[in-house]
Amino acid sequence: EIVMTQSPAILSVSPGERATLSCRASQSISRNLAWYQQKPGQAPRLLIYGPATRATGIPARFSVSGSGTEFTLTISSLQSEDFAVYYCQQYHNWPPGTFGQGTKVEIK
Amino acid sequence: EVQLVQSGAEVKKPGESLKISCKASGYSFTSYWIGWVRQMPGKGLEWMGVIYPGDSDTKYSPSFQGQVTISIDKSTSTAFLQWSSLQVSDTAMYYCARQPDAFDVWGQGTMVTVS
Repeated sequence: EIVMTQSPAILSVSPGERATLSCRASQSISRNLAWYQQKPGQAPRLLIYGPATRATGIPARFSVSGSGTEFTLTISSLQSEDFAVYYCQQYHNWPPGTFGQGTKVEIK
Repeated sequence: EVQLVQSGAEVKKPGESLKISCKASGYSFTSYWIGWVRQMPGKGLEWMGVIYPGDSDTKYSPSFQGQVTISIDKSTSTAFLQWSSLQVSDTAMYYCARQPDAFDVWGQGTMVTVS
């Protein structure tokens, strides 16, 4: 089973600043990685998957980089609606399609 | 519009059985895997398993193999997640989601409380 590790667990950022979230895989997953956003009381929402495909309606301030085992999600200028928990998930080798433990982006 | 609509919240006692549902609409039900994801209170997301409605091929996470059963009813475009004997530790929110590769469309979640 591939283990996904996210860091940091909590990221404190001021509105308008850049946020950088990391996700590491225990073995190579090529670029078969997805990022999700979850707000309190809501279902997760797909943000970005694959090399750099944003899901429908996701703004361009969300971008990703990396391949193999190291990945980064960058939010270029945090808006109030971006404060949430973010999960990465590998779909390279399943079952299971493992998730990271999440990074909470909170207001500084 | 592609939608997954899940059944309502459940409160059950330990040892009871349960079957929750996820009704798909707006796309070809038999062409995409549908999966289930668990989220225990205050915790992260856990991939439970998926089923391909086209041929009912089912894949489970080792953590959930033998603990739950995933099934479908093609006639109603509905996926199911069931337990034969619930435990207190099954208390969680359960989401269904469509999986072309990543989970691109999610249901609203079904809260299961076992107490």
